Amino acid sequence: DVKVTQSSRYLVKRTGEKVFLECVQDMDHENMFWYRQDPGLGLRLIYFSYDVKMKEKGDIPEGYSVSREKKERFSLILESASTNQTSMYLCASSLSAVAYSYNSPLHFGNGTRLTVT
Amino acid sequence: TQLLEQSPQFLSIQEGENLTVYCNSSSVFSSLQWYRQEPGEGPVLLVTVVTGGEVKKLKRLTFQFGDARKDSSLHITAAQPGDTGLYLCAGAADYGQNFVFGPGTRLSVLP
Repeated sequence: DVKVTQSSRYLVKRTGEKVFLECVQDMDHENMFWYRQDPGLGLRLIYFSYDVKMKEKGDIPEGYSVSREKKERFSLILESASTNQTSMYLCASSLSAVAYSYNSPLHFGNGTRLTVT
Repeated sequence: TQLLEQSPQFLSIQEGENLTVYCNSSSVFSSLQWYRQEPGEGPVLLVTVVTGGEVKKLKRLTFQFGDARKDSSLHITAAQPGDTGLYLCAGAADYGQNFVFGPGTRLSVLP
């Protein structure tokens, strides 16, 4: 079974702090994603990566950056945390699209609930 | 940006009842997936549908992809408390493109 591990289940940070959210997957997946989940809004894509050292902006990248130095690890960085970044953050991974005839399924971690005060 | 709508937003039913939840869009999708998310966990894939009109069954769950590939439904027969969770649909406009998620239907099945 694919395992996607997020380093923290709960985090409380102060406004202006730099925040690192870490995600590791153990199935050699090429693709990795960061989403945030807010009630009534579903999952919104922040950033994604299809390869090491590669990153692409998703739908809501403002205020965030990412790092992918190794294939198995994808980090989300909040340069200066703000209260509107209080949310549930979900990391996911998937196989390369060429491995399937359709978009391969996403495998999610259990999420990090971040509170910014 | 493509949008997915899900209805109802909330559903509370008694054990043994049947239910249907819906996922709708004005856009065409090449594939659509359904996920279930239980409290404190990440979403888990239930099914992927790729062909218009396709019907897939997973035990008591029946998934249908609309003929025009713009909508989908999930029907649960004889719901059980273990079916409780947030049901999310996600569509990809084209092969290789990222998924867009709907806001979800939160289902509560009472014993």
